[in-house]
Amino acid sequence: EVQLLESGGGFVQPGGSLRLSCAASGFSFSNYAVTWVRQAPGKGLEWVTAITTGGTTYYAASVRGRFTISRDNSQNTVYLQMNSLRAEDTAVYYCGREFLVGVTPGLDYWGHGTLVTVSS
Amino acid sequence: QSVLMQPPSVSGAPGQKVTVSCAGSSSNIGSVYDVHWYQQLPGKAPKLLIYGNNDRPSGVPERFSGSKSGTSASLAITGLQAEDEADYYCQSYDVRLDTWVFGGGTKLIVL
Repeated sequence: EVQLLESGGGFVQPGGSLRLSCAASGFSFSNYAVTWVRQAPGKGLEWVTAITTGGTTYYAASVRGRFTISRDNSQNTVYLQMNSLRAEDTAVYYCGREFLVGVTPGLDYWGHGTLVTVSS
Repeated sequence: QSVLMQPPSVSGAPGQKVTVSCAGSSSNIGSVYDVHWYQQLPGKAPKLLIYGNNDRPSGVPERFSGSKSGTSASLAITGLQAEDEADYYCQSYDVRLDTWVFGGGTKLIVL
């Protein structure tokens, strides 16, 4: 069974840092790109960042330069290092396994999410 | 303001059919990119419902179907059931923004 389990969320002050983890199981992890999507309280979904099987990374403009995604295939885990956090980064962060239909990426499996709250 | 535009809510009685629209542009849905749909039950993570405009993952009932035409896409749900009450999101890719794009989400209310 494919499973993705996020951890590392919590409460942090503006300007602070957090590192999220996404532990995967039930599939050949190294063969899949992984994506983070976030959802602010009461709001819609927002794509944040992605890492390919070869380690190439992509970022939304809103987090570029502050967030860093990485992966450890030996641990079947993707990490999201979040620095210089702002109140507008407050959200549930979901990691997902990426699939491709033609040239359109999507997420076929999602974790349960981890809440990040940035507040003074 | 989301790049893909969805109605905030739709409603229908049990057994009826409802449609959720997703309006895009020539740089996303109207381009070479497909549309995927996700269902998010209250308090839960999103789940893939439709991929590649009109395909269903294993386990998704045939009551759910998708279509794409021009710069728009639609999700249709027939034989509405109380358990279908959820938020529905469309998603594609935008070549001009060079990023994934989501609709703002549509809340389905089963009367």
